Amino acid sequence: NAGVTQTPKFQVLKTGQSMTLQCAQDMNHNSMYWYRQDPGMGLRLIYYSASEGTTDKGEVPNGYNVSRLNKREFSLRLESAAPSQTSVYFCASSIRRANYGYTFGSGTRLTVV
Amino acid sequence: DQQVKQNSPSLSVQEGRISILNCDYTNSMFDYFLWYKKYPAEGPTFLISISSIKDKNEDGRFTVFLNKSAKHLSLHIVPSQPGDSAVYFCAASAGAHSGAGSYQLTFGKGTKLSVIP
Repeated sequence: NAGVTQTPKFQVLKTGQSMTLQCAQDMNHNSMYWYRQDPGMGLRLIYYSASEGTTDKGEVPNGYNVSRLNKREFSLRLESAAPSQTSVYFCASSIRRANYGYTFGSGTRLTVV
Repeated sequence: DQQVKQNSPSLSVQEGRISILNCDYTNSMFDYFLWYKKYPAEGPTFLISISSIKDKNEDGRFTVFLNKSAKHLSLHIVPSQPGDSAVYFCAASAGAHSGAGSYQLTFGKGTKLSVIP
């Protein structure tokens, strides 16, 4: 099925460990996004990539880095995980026009202990 | 400061009745509004949208109403079905004014709808 694929689906990290969340889309979308969802907080934008070769900070970028590897792939890296980064992470993509909304992946549930 | 507000964390409705989910926004630059639906353990899925140049958009059982002067929008589901039970997120975009044309979305906290058979 066409869409947004996120890996892994679940991950447990120890404080201070690093990891990379992977995201790939096969819809030829130009823009890609990383959101986190916390209980009672809705979805908050971490980083986005308007087009291949560009990335920008969102609302909550601290503690994260991103790489837009090519048009299809957009990864999110936690260099030194902290318990406050325990969350569900969603990757999304869009064609660049607000009309179509976003297509989201199924999420990565990350626990930092 | 929350730019998109969904003040009702939850809503219960009988099957066959109308569900009305509300959303308020504060940023007058928002010019496009969307509703997403989310089931547990899945990503949000796009449901319906409306441009600020319209006051109503309908798609089957789902209708979104926009009141720009009140900075308020609502999603009506008629008739409600048990499969509609999910968390609904309101989102807004200042697409024409965003830097780099990325059309970032600002989300509300969501309303959990339960449709009782």
